[in-house]
This record gives sequence, structure tokens and C-alpha cells, in this order.
Amino acid sequence: GAVVSQHPSWVICKSGTSVKIECRSLDFQATTMFWYRQFPKQSLMLMATSNEGSKATYEQGVEKDKFLINHASLTLSTLTVTSAHPEDSSFYICSAGTATYEQYFGPGTRLTVT
Amino acid sequence: GEDVEQSLFLSVREGDSSVINCTYTDSSSTYLYWYKQEPGAGLQLLTYIFSNMDMKQDQRLTVLLNKKDKHLSLRIADTQTGDSAIYFCAEAYTGGFKTIFGAGTRLFVKA
Repeated sequence: GAVVSQHPSWVICKSGTSVKIECRSLDFQATTMFWYRQFPKQSLMLMATSNEGSKATYEQGVEKDKFLINHASLTLSTLTVTSAHPEDSSFYICSAGTATYEQYFGPGTRLTVT
Repeated sequence: GEDVEQSLFLSVREGDSSVINCTYTDSSSTYLYWYKQEPGAGLQLLTYIFSNMDMKQDQRLTVLLNKKDKHLSLRIADTQTGDSAIYFCAEAYTGGFKTIFGAGTRLFVKA
């Protein structure tokens, strides 16, 4: 149980285009989902916290107009990187949970912007 | 502020024990975690400990918590080559889901 999936697992897009990443909790309902960004050989940086049916809470320094988060249901959250640039290339990981100690991570999405 | 620190590398021989250390600064942390990340993959929760506990053992894994020194350690007994990965220490506190991660310790296991 407690499986979180992400789609796609990797994506290459051209500079200036937008790309959407999906995060799904497959066998449980997640009241809260988190989006992280991980640069090579670095730790995870929390980008935003999203609660179902409400606006996401973004961490300081994260542009909410660039990284659009939608949490339309208890099993699905999406992150859209708008007008992507090469510096947005990174590994994006989502997590979902119902309690702090029950946070489950997706396998990650590797985004490459050319 | 919140900060979690770990040493970056650890190398051990197969069969030996590995000890990965972590220090944190937020004394209000309620939950402390150890996650494992293999190359190109997401994070796998290995174990967690509540702040009112000193020790937790789960098969080959032993977690020790020293609240006074804000020090957390993960001991892996009989380390195997399959244990080679990056291990992240993380802290969180009641009242918020925000989880703060350390930079990760890269464990190399030599056959």
C-alpha cells in the first residue's frame, strides 16, 4: 500500500514551452501533497505544499506564477512549469501524506529543458 | 532557523556496520526520519522516530536519538552492496507538514 506515482518519469521540452507533471496517490487519499526539487547531488528543496481544494502554499523564493500547482482531488496534484527555461531542468519529486510521519514519495520526474 | 546537517560520504566494507550521523537545530522537531534514495529514484522511507524516543530498532536498522545534543544516527548492521545509496536525514514538527532534509550521505559499500 501507500504508493505514489508520477507521470511522466522523464520529459524533454523546448525552452519557452510548458510542461505538466502529475502526482497520484494510488491506494490512499492524500489530504496534502508536496512538491520538491532536487538538483544533482543535492538535497530536496521543498517548493510548495498543496491541500486538496485550496491554493498551494509556496516556499520563499519559489515563483508561484511559474510553477503552477493544482490539487483538484484527494489523489491527484499537478505541477505545471510554465515558460520553461534550461535553468528549470531538475528532478522534481512529489510526496503525499495524511500525516506528517506518513509521507510517501513518488519516483520523481526528470525535466530537461533544451 | 531550521537546519539539518550530515556528512557527505561514508565508505564501508561489505559485512561491516555503517553509522550515518545527522544533527539538527530545531528543538521543536517531533518526527525525525531516515530516507534512502537510489540513483534516479525517489525517496524511500526507511524508518522514523518520534522525539520522545531514544532508540528504535527495525531488523538491520537502529536509530539513536540524542535530544540534548540534537543528534540522530542510523546504524546499518551487516551492510550489503545493495545498501549503497544516498541516505537523507529529515525533521518535521507537529502543526506543520514541512519536512526539512539534510544534504544526504552517500554510502559506498565495497565488496
